[in-house]
Amino acid sequence: DQQVKQNSPSLSVQEGRISILNCDYTNSMFDYFLWYKKYPAEGPTFLISISSIKDKNEDGRFTVFLNKSAKHLSLHIVPSQPGDSAVYFCAASTSSNTGKLIFGQGTTLQVKP
Amino acid sequence: GAGVSQSPSNKVTEKGKDVELRCDPISGHTALYWYRQSLGQGLEFLIYFQGNSAPDKSGLPSDRFSAERTGGSVSTLTIQRTQQEDSAVYLCASSLSGLQETQYFGPGTRLLVL
Repeated sequence: DQQVKQNSPSLSVQEGRISILNCDYTNSMFDYFLWYKKYPAEGPTFLISISSIKDKNEDGRFTVFLNKSAKHLSLHIVPSQPGDSAVYFCAASTSSNTGKLIFGQGTTLQVKP
Repeated sequence: GAGVSQSPSNKVTEKGKDVELRCDPISGHTALYWYRQSLGQGLEFLIYFQGNSAPDKSGLPSDRFSAERTGGSVSTLTIQRTQQEDSAVYLCASSLSGLQETQYFGPGTRLLVL
């Protein structure tokens, strides 16, 4: 049972344009969400997080949106840069579940110069 | 400061052999997690340690998998009688207190079982 789903395995955008990565979840108990970026042969690196009491969190070029009624979150990267090319994972946790993260399958983003 | 470190970075073993993977968390972090990423898949939770509490082992796929954390710091993940389906990248993460907060990941150990 895949509780966190990233339905797009890959995304390609032009440098300077917006990248939108999507994530859906099924467990209504999830109340904390994170996005991680992963380069080949490296561990995931934390990007941005959002609590379920918010619907938007912004950090520089990165903004995460949360739609609880739709059980959907998205990561916007504006403007996209070639260095953003990586695999992006969304992850979720519940406050009652020791903080362990449930990850999506990942979306490979390619930003073309 | 030093991040999470893992060793070895790569491990090739024969089916049926035992392997040990090591994780050194960030100093001062009380929570430690093990995940694995199989080819083309997302990260899968394996086990969680928090201070002196009993570990959350709910993600371990079989009794061939075990982990310990000595002195509240270094952790070792042991896989006994390895199978080909154990081939994956094993990732360790640590966080300050184990609550809902950022987990910092190590580079992973790439395990290949022949």
